Amino acid sequence: QSALTQSPSASGSPGQSVTISCTGTSNDVGRYNYVSWYQQHPGKAPKLMIYEVTQRPSGVPDRFSGSKSGNTASLTVSGLQAEDEANYYCSSYAGSNNVVFGGGTKLTVL
Amino acid sequence: EVQLLDSGGGLVQPGESLRLSCAASGFTFSSYAMNWVRQAPGKGLEWVSGINTSGGGTNYADSVKGRFTISRDNSKDTLYLHMNSLRADDTAIYYCVKDQRTSSRGNFDYWGQGTLVTVSS
Repeated sequence: QSALTQSPSASGSPGQSVTISCTGTSNDVGRYNYVSWYQQHPGKAPKLMIYEVTQRPSGVPDRFSGSKSGNTASLTVSGLQAEDEANYYCSSYAGSNNVVFGGGTKLTVL
Repeated sequence: EVQLLDSGGGLVQPGESLRLSCAASGFTFSSYAMNWVRQAPGKGLEWVSGINTSGGGTNYADSVKGRFTISRDNSKDTLYLHMNSLRADDTAIYYCVKDQRTSSRGNFDYWGQGTLVTVSS
C-alpha cells in the first residue's frame, strides 16, 4: 500500500492550463481504470472532480479533465481561475478492495 | 440531498479506544460501499478502511489493520469505526466517505464534514 507520487506544487496564471501528474505502479494506476481526483480547499472536505480516469461528476466544470498513460494519471485544469487554487489529490484502486492516495499537489494561481 | 454527519471524535490517551459514527441520509445507504479516510494535521489524505454494501466485506490500510474495525448498520443508515490501541500517529481528521460502487473503488463522491481525533497524553 505505497502512496502514489505527486509533485508537491504546480502553478499557472489565470486563463492558462496546468497539468498535475500522479504516478503509481502496474498494481494500481497501471492496472485499473479507477483513478480519481479530489480538490480540497483549506479547512474544507475534499471534493470529487474526476473519477474512473476521465469521468466528471455533474456540476464539475469541463475545464477539468483527466487522462492516464501507463502507470501515470494526469489532471488538466484549463482556463485557470482564482478559485482553482487548492490542494489536489489523486487516488487509485489497488486491488482487493483497497484504495491508495497520492501525497497531494498544491496548485497556485499566480 | 446527500448528507454524512461524522461524530465521535475527541481527545484520548495513547492506548485508549474510541468509536466514530457517521449518520447518512439522502440516498439508499445499503446500496453503496462506505469508507473512512483520514488526514493528519497539515498532511495528505490516507484511506483507512472500507466496507461493502452488506457489511460482509471489510478492508483496512496496513497502518490500522488489527486495531480498527469498520462496521455498518443498514437499518440505521449508520457507519462506524471502532478504534483500539490508539497511537499518536492516529491523530487526524476522520472523514466518512461514500463510494459510487458497491465495493470500495475510490470513487468517493460524498464526504462528511470530518471529526477530529487527537491522541495525546
